[in-house]
Amino acid sequence: EAGVTQFPSHSVIEKGQTVTLRCDPISGHDNLYWYRRVMGKEIKFLLHFVKESKQDESGMPNNRFLAERTGGTYSTLKVQPAELEDSGVYFCASSPFDSLNTIYFGEGSWLTVV
Amino acid sequence: AQSVTQPDIHITVSEGASLELRCNYSYGATPYLFWYVQSPGQGLQLLLKYFSGDTLVQGIKGFEAEFKRSQSSFNLRKPSVHWSDAAEYFCAVGRYNDYKLSFGAGTTVTVRA
Repeated sequence: EAGVTQFPSHSVIEKGQTVTLRCDPISGHDNLYWYRRVMGKEIKFLLHFVKESKQDESGMPNNRFLAERTGGTYSTLKVQPAELEDSGVYFCASSPFDSLNTIYFGEGSWLTVV
Repeated sequence: AQSVTQPDIHITVSEGASLELRCNYSYGATPYLFWYVQSPGQGLQLLLKYFSGDTLVQGIKGFEAEFKRSQSSFNLRKPSVHWSDAAEYFCAVGRYNDYKLSFGAGTTVTVRA
């Protein structure tokens, strides 16, 4: 069974540019989450999808971040325009519908804004 | 809101020695507690979790953790460390009916020969 896959694994962009991160959850997982870790800080929750609906986006830092999950399958997280403080690792995770106890994380997308 | 503290940023341990990583949480009700590990170039892997019941939890790779409500702690232990245990370890807390996890800042473990 394929795990949670994220693309790209690494990205270096200039301040002001746009980056789109993609996450493919484990097949059949209704829950999809985005987390991020900026340098030296904790891993922080960004948002939670249940199928295609945003269940909780309380962790989204500002309106430069836009997450979508069209059709309830893969998700994208767009940062536009990127700022220096957006640098960090963006983790995607997924879990079955009724379960907090089996959250699977991807390997992360490393974003560097220069 | 819940929060997690991992007091040790970095620990160095000799191969074959025991390891204990500390985790303290702040949460009003019974928490759901997790330990994750991130090896270089890898994603976050779940080592073990505690929801209820026996307060000593066994996980993968020979790790165990003990939930102590009176101390608000969930420390991770391994009796004999292997070089492959060099990684960053994260403690996390969640709660019933809320899918959001709060993570600690992580502890980096270095294993020396």
